[in-house]
Amino acid sequence: GEDVEQSLFLSVREGDSSVINCTYTDSSSTYLYWYKQEPGAGLQLLTYIFSNMDMKQDQRLTVLLNKKDKHLSLRIADTQTGDSAIYFCAESIRGDYKLSFGAGTTVTVRA
Amino acid sequence: DTGVSQDPRHKITKRGQNVTFRCDPISEHNRLYWYRQTLGQGPEFLTYFQNEAQLEKSRLLSDRFSAERPKGSFSTLEIQRTEQGDSAMYLCASSSNTGHGYTFGSGTRLTVV
Repeated sequence: GEDVEQSLFLSVREGDSSVINCTYTDSSSTYLYWYKQEPGAGLQLLTYIFSNMDMKQDQRLTVLLNKKDKHLSLRIADTQTGDSAIYFCAESIRGDYKLSFGAGTTVTVRA
Repeated sequence: DTGVSQDPRHKITKRGQNVTFRCDPISEHNRLYWYRQTLGQGPEFLTYFQNEAQLEKSRLLSDRFSAERPKGSFSTLEIQRTEQGDSAMYLCASSSNTGHGYTFGSGTRLTVV
């Protein structure tokens, strides 16, 4: 959706941290999500954050939310080759049923 | 439960033909969604069911598109008189009333030639 923007590409060395950024425009968003899509596959929910939170950590994943700037980021610690995929940021509006997605960030992990 | 299943995985059809896709959601999920994803883009919302009721349709869903979920379980998405612009990945997802986020299927890739 045009309301969610992401940078298109990220290249990272194996073992380093990856940071994927996303901006959204709807201040009424209630939940924000990160999905991962591998080639030829559907989308896999990685994590989500409620709009009244600033940070959420889940194993190697850390989500940071800056509500003032409407900025969301996903940090992947110790990036592995299996992390190579397209990562989508999404927001839900008016309840939790319809999601608006960004165009996705293609993450390439190099040895 | 093996997750959300979609059939077929790939469909090649000639322009003007009708196609139908099927989605089997996770059995205890009462919400079902259809999204369309074109190359280089994120998924775009098409329609949403709560049990058997179709509660919302996107303006992307022209009158050539119809979706059903007759018994509140599986769903079908039919495209009549296909056009080349219909070529895309059609994704189905399901969720419960209380769950966060969706579980997506692997999608049906449609190519209209």
